[in-house]
Amino acid sequence: AQSVAQPEDQVNVAEGNPLTVKCTYSVSGNPYLFWYVQYPNRGLQFLLKYITGDNLVKGSYGFEAEFNKSQTSFHLKKPSALVSDSALYFCAVRDKNRDDKIIFGKGTRLHILP
Amino acid sequence: GAGVSQSPSNKVTEKGKDVELRCDPISGHTALYWYRQSLGQGLEFLIYFQGNSAPDKSGLPSDRFSAERTGGSVSTLTIQRTQQEDSAVYLCASSAHFGGGTGANVLTFGAGSRLTVL
Repeated sequence: AQSVAQPEDQVNVAEGNPLTVKCTYSVSGNPYLFWYVQYPNRGLQFLLKYITGDNLVKGSYGFEAEFNKSQTSFHLKKPSALVSDSALYFCAVRDKNRDDKIIFGKGTRLHILP
Repeated sequence: GAGVSQSPSNKVTEKGKDVELRCDPISGHTALYWYRQSLGQGLEFLIYFQGNSAPDKSGLPSDRFSAERTGGSVSTLTIQRTQQEDSAVYLCASSAHFGGGTGANVLTFGAGSRLTVL
């Protein structure tokens, strides 16, 4: 069965600094990987996904994520954080080789300090 | 429809009562998911429907929980004999699960049904 780990409950970053939100995964086959964001009092929104091809995936709002197969990681990054990036971020995985469900990590709360 | 619709948006019930939560997915989406979001618990998978296949019920926390999807569209999550620990936001999501399009596997979430069990 697949699993996702987000080791940090909360990440604090100063505005303008680069940010990283960590995610590691476990699947029996090859993964589909996703990041979603939940802004305060708003629904969950898709940010980006890795399906195949280039390991560096670019998504909405200037975010990107790098798929690292050897480390089974898919960390979310942004070169320069904005206060408006403060939100709850979820990593998710699905096993590509099976008709399987998408499961989510516990989420990481990102605080961007002005 | 244009998005995933869930009803009711808020439900307050007494312990021991049954509740039904409804999800109307995006038309044409073959995959439908129910998740539960509690404080500090992240997004907990409950159940997954894919086309005409038997649903994956592995995430349902007890036999008080059940769900059905009629005609490959609308889904209802039923919680019988509600308990206080059932209090949470129940989220429904749908996707076009297969295919190489940019929308494949991307979940569109509803706004959720907030359940409070007194």
